[in-house]
Amino acid sequence: DTAVSQTPKYLVTQMGNDKSIKCEQNLGHDTMYWYKQDSKKFLKIMFSYNNKELIINETVPNRFSPKSPDKAHLNLHINSLELGDSAVYFCASSSGTSNYLGTGELFFGEGSRLTVL
Amino acid sequence: LAKTTQPISMDSYEGQEVNITCSHNNIATNDYITWYQQFPSQGPRFIIQGYKTKVTNEVASLFIPADRKSSTLSLPRVSLSDTAVYYCLVGAGYKLSFGAGTTVTVRA
Repeated sequence: DTAVSQTPKYLVTQMGNDKSIKCEQNLGHDTMYWYKQDSKKFLKIMFSYNNKELIINETVPNRFSPKSPDKAHLNLHINSLELGDSAVYFCASSSGTSNYLGTGELFFGEGSRLTVL
Repeated sequence: LAKTTQPISMDSYEGQEVNITCSHNNIATNDYITWYQQFPSQGPRFIIQGYKTKVTNEVASLFIPADRKSSTLSLPRVSLSDTAVYYCLVGAGYKLSFGAGTTVTVRA
């Protein structure tokens, strides 16, 4: 069983379109994340949800809207796609509470490569 | 968040030990030091984590000096399959971003 799974793995679309990436984890973790990896391999955190509540939003444009229907799912919807949105998006999960001061192991999905033409 | 600096790339040969040093001069008291490995077309994978002194697991060792302003990941006797990008992270809680990492290339 895949611990953190994302769909789709590849996504090619035109500028201005709206697209979604889905993520599911079967690890029983309380916290899920979205990361964006650019062409230079930098992995930047975008959002973090703990028990379905948004706890981190790293100055991501409003065109990006995460949705967590339950603790096991964190989907990413992107409106009005731009060329600069082309990247690999990774979903991750970890255990921990909202006042977590330690740092738990992050479990990543395989990534979703988004190409905006 | 503590900023990290690590070499962009390193080359090695099979069977050698690879040591990657990460600088994190403004590490905070609560911060942990964590290393991840990423293969092409895959998500990063946790390797090792430490707070101070030395930590060892079945994959690697992590050396942290007393001032904690740097850390060294040691990969013993690397093989071709250890070719990957290695990321050093410093922080605590949920707000962790990765730098550009160190691309380690192992040659036969």
